[in-house]
Amino acid sequence: DAGITQSPRHKVTETGTPVTLRCHQTENHRYMYWYRQDPGHGLRLIHYSYGVKDTDKGEVSDGYSVSRSKTEDFLLTLESATSSQTSVYFCAISEGGANNSPLHFGNGTRLTVT
Amino acid sequence: GNSVTQMEGPVTLSEEAFLTINCTYTATGYPSLFWYVQYPGEGLQLLLKATKADDKGSNKGFEATYRKETTSFHLEKGSVQVSDSAVYFCALTSSENRLAFGKGNQVVVIP
Repeated sequence: DAGITQSPRHKVTETGTPVTLRCHQTENHRYMYWYRQDPGHGLRLIHYSYGVKDTDKGEVSDGYSVSRSKTEDFLLTLESATSSQTSVYFCAISEGGANNSPLHFGNGTRLTVT
Repeated sequence: GNSVTQMEGPVTLSEEAFLTINCTYTATGYPSLFWYVQYPGEGLQLLLKATKADDKGSNKGFEATYRKETTSFHLEKGSVQVSDSAVYFCALTSSENRLAFGKGNQVVVIP
């Protein structure tokens, strides 16, 4: 298994509170991605990173921000959680980017916003 | 942008039956195509891939052929097992090193 750890694995939070999810890798891969998985929607890209301090938006980035201050960590922050952000969040890493090498996924974080 | 469409609904079949999951795509340029599999409680894993037209990807008895003329990448397996029960996602590369996924198909194999 690729060395990817997501934390926490489960979280319940209240509407309006800030939440940060962490993705940690031990593979030294350049590319990191945050997806959310929802029934009927498959996986949708939130944000991704192509290097330290280099990030870009995906298709569902509203309400989310990310930071990558070092190669191994990619943080996803919900500034003010809403019920529509209840989802399972997956981090993925790739050595050369999706166009050149496969994505390896973490085991996900299940987030419930009440 | 580039996108994939998977057939609607779960797939339920008996052990040793033939499995087909349809995937069609819309793309500019020459994307690579993938099938990923997700077992319960886990993240996605790469099952197979094809990088150019007429390529056939294969792994664990599964196959898919990159068909440019029909813009398709259907997944097939000749004889499924209970252990193949999972969710299967078709995906393709899109702009700027991103991967776009279909909605996924739940496959349930009954003994």
